[in-house]
Amino acid sequence: DAKTTQPNSMESNEEEPVHLPCNHSTISGTDYIHWYRQLPSQGPEYVIHGLTSNVNNRMASLAIAEDRKSSTLILHRATLRDAAVYYCINAPGNTGKLIFGQGTTLQVKP
Amino acid sequence: NAGVMQNPRHLVRRRGQEARLRCSPMKGHSHVYWYRQLPEEGLKFMVYLQKENIIDESGMPKERFSAEFPKEGPSILRIQQVVRGDSAAYFCASSRTGGDGYTFGSGTRLTVV
Repeated sequence: DAKTTQPNSMESNEEEPVHLPCNHSTISGTDYIHWYRQLPSQGPEYVIHGLTSNVNNRMASLAIAEDRKSSTLILHRATLRDAAVYYCINAPGNTGKLIFGQGTTLQVKP
Repeated sequence: NAGVMQNPRHLVRRRGQEARLRCSPMKGHSHVYWYRQLPEEGLKFMVYLQKENIIDESGMPKERFSAEFPKEGPSILRIQQVVRGDSAAYFCASSRTGGDGYTFGSGTRLTVV
């Protein structure tokens, strides 16, 4: 699986947008871009995933660069409940295997 | 619509005992994955199963660990002769198809004393 690079930590203020970056310069043409988050003492939670086009769902938006070498997870209005470790993962479709890195620890300040 | 159910939530075993971790996937999901998270580390893939078949076990330790997903019933991750280094959180995930969005369970926290 392609290696992804994320900042170790980020801070945000409550109710402000958050942009979490991810670099994946070695991504292959069939790799999907997945985002998961993990709250303390819980299992990872699916956030969003996409292949080429930008994606939106009720939790977040995923902006994918035209060359697919980077992506940004956008939380439109951060809440205290969004404080978690966010993982950006590249994985081929139908592989079943996600390779988790260290992720970005997001702190949300009231 | 229950999510992925794992039990027990917490499991304590003495060194040398066997640990059996169970995972019931979401309704309609036939793909199951097991991950392990050691203290202060990220999740590591262990094994990917479909009903009655092991698809990818590249992350499974060569000895003492086995997994199954029978036609009926939950998926089982079995660890024989546990050692202290097996203490970790074990997470199960399921998906409708391989490569789809995965739903994770809350995990089983194994402590070996």
